[in-house]
Amino acid sequence: KNQVEQSPQSLIILEGKNCTLQCNYTVSPFSNLRWYKQDTGRGPVSLTIMTFSENTKSNGRYTATLDADTKQSSLHITASQLSDSASYICVVSEEQAGTALIFGKGTTLSVSS
Amino acid sequence: DAGVIQSPRHEVTEMGQEVTLRCKPISGHNSLFWYRQTMMRGLELLIYFNNNVPIDDSGMPEDRFSAKMPNASFSTLKIQPSEPRDSAVYFCASSSGLAGVYEQFFGPGTRLTVL
Repeated sequence: KNQVEQSPQSLIILEGKNCTLQCNYTVSPFSNLRWYKQDTGRGPVSLTIMTFSENTKSNGRYTATLDADTKQSSLHITASQLSDSASYICVVSEEQAGTALIFGKGTTLSVSS
Repeated sequence: DAGVIQSPRHEVTEMGQEVTLRCKPISGHNSLFWYRQTMMRGLELLIYFNNNVPIDDSGMPEDRFSAKMPNASFSTLKIQPSEPRDSAVYFCASSSGLAGVYEQFFGPGTRLTVL
């Protein structure tokens, strides 16, 4: 069964610190992997989209990595800010044609001052 | 660009009542998606339209749920009759192409509470 597992479920860090969120998937065949940020009370917003041939992609202080061989991805946040407090959702696309998007349940990040 | 527009933002209703959620996708986008989000199950795709035609409705929970897209700028998700277990946040998203390839843009969601 195609699955996307995220860890940790929740995380608390101090402002200015770095952190890394993990995403493991069993989706096959794999098309692309996305990371979304969802602020409380709002819809998800795309941070990065990576195909199987891409190893890393950055969006400001957010850097996503992908290892298609081990089926693992990580999202690294550098110099965290209070505004980074949100849920981060990993989404894997099973195939290019169609709707097979498999969602993880997300990691809730709290950044405190 | 106003982004994806959803209404209402909040809906409180009693069990057995009909609920209609509305969505206006981003102009020019030809794919529209309805999602449901709960703490227990996370985000779940309910139905996907491409060029106003339902492509995949395998995520629709049961016959109480129905969705329509009469034109490229409007879609509805209806629940009749509603039940307490339908309480969730419902998101509409749109994209300029196939779900697995193109970025999806989400609306702000409708928080539904069924008493």
